[in-house]
Amino acid sequence: QVQLQESGPGLVKPSETLSLTCAVSRYSITSGYYWSWIRQPPGRGLEWIGNIYHTGTTYYNPSLKSRVTISVDTSKNQFSLKLKSVTAADTAVFYCARGVTWGTARGSFDYWGQGTLVTVSS
Amino acid sequence: QSVLTQPPSVSGAPGQRVTISCTGSSSNIGAGYAVHWYQQLPGTAPKLLIYGDSNRPSGVPDRVSASRSGTSASLAITGLQAEDEADYYCQSYDSSLSGGVFGTGTKVTVL
Repeated sequence: QVQLQESGPGLVKPSETLSLTCAVSRYSITSGYYWSWIRQPPGRGLEWIGNIYHTGTTYYNPSLKSRVTISVDTSKNQFSLKLKSVTAADTAVFYCARGVTWGTARGSFDYWGQGTLVTVSS
Repeated sequence: QSVLTQPPSVSGAPGQRVTISCTGSSSNIGAGYAVHWYQQLPGTAPKLLIYGDSNRPSGVPDRVSASRSGTSASLAITGLQAEDEADYYCQSYDSSLSGGVFGTGTKVTVL
């Protein structure tokens, strides 16, 4: 069973950079899927942030593209999110997830981390 | 900024059938991209419920079904049970975003 685990600070000050890491276990990050970040503001819906392939190719939500960087560390089997210049509107539960690249499930997210709440506040 | 629209809530008595609609556009569902559905129980991460328009992952009961038509999709739950009380999200790919897009979410309440 694939496992994903988010980690990082739970509190970030306005205008600073939010940094999170997703450690993947029981599956090699280099094997045929893409890896994603998704967020959910308290009491609201899900928002796709971006994807990364093990090759380093990235795709970002246009609404966040100017502030987001997703990177991958294949040696540690993990990938990371940086969101700069945060405001209170960025307060959310951040999930990492595995994206399916083939077949009828293509485009779905089949495994998710438990999520981590990041609060933006001074 | 969801571009897939769902009703905010639906409800039904135990044993009844409920359906959830998901309305998209020509850049996502209408373009033929697959629709997937997720169940989110309170305080937990979303769980893949339906993939590829109508396929159930192992462990999802057959009283859960889904379909699509044109620029819309729908999820149906028959024989409603207390354990079905959760938030449900549709999801697809959007060519204008070059990435995933989620529905606005629907809260299912079992009366």
